[in-house]
Amino acid sequence: EDKVVQSPLSLVVHEGDTVTLNCSYEVTNFRSLLWYKQEKKAPTFLFMLTSSGIEKKSGRLSSILDKKELFSILNITATQTGDSAIYLCVLNTGTASKLTFGTGTRLQVTL
Amino acid sequence: DGGITQSPKYLFRKEGQNVTLSCEQNLNHDAMYWYRQDPGQGLRLIYYSQIVNDFQKGDIAEGYSVSREKKESFPLTVTSAQKNPTAFYLCASSRTSGRFETQYFGPGTRLLVL
Repeated sequence: EDKVVQSPLSLVVHEGDTVTLNCSYEVTNFRSLLWYKQEKKAPTFLFMLTSSGIEKKSGRLSSILDKKELFSILNITATQTGDSAIYLCVLNTGTASKLTFGTGTRLQVTL
Repeated sequence: DGGITQSPKYLFRKEGQNVTLSCEQNLNHDAMYWYRQDPGQGLRLIYYSQIVNDFQKGDIAEGYSVSREKKESFPLTVTSAQKNPTAFYLCASSRTSGRFETQYFGPGTRLLVL
């Protein structure tokens, strides 16, 4: 059975800190790994990773995938209170309908 | 503005009642999805539709029904057969159901049982 495990489950940091969120997975048929940010309601898309070792970057956020060790990390540098959210790691194992969601990491950034 | 809308934001259901959650998208996406989110669990797929007039069961379809009569609309009915309907329901869409398509989510509907 495909599985996504995120750690830590929750995290509290001070504004300006750098954080690393972890996602490990088990899969029979890997297609891609996605990161979403969920604030109060709708998850919003951050990154799609398909190849090992290639960093995807968007502003202060970056992510990388290791298909050999079966994990991905999401880095956020110089955190801001607006980064407070649940970050979801999602595995695509087939068509767009075949998504396996992790339970998420709840990040709280305090002043 | 292009996007996905869900209504209502909050919905209350009485015992034995069927309720329908609305999901509309104006992104011209072929594929649409319904998920359920419970505390401490990842999103779970209820139903999905790859194209108009077609839909398939997801992992937890029991007690739910859907229709896809129009491309832009994918309503979800929570029937009285769903014994534990209290949850946050998210609708999503993607351009197609292909391998590398990204799903975009609506704002969600929180369903509570009275």
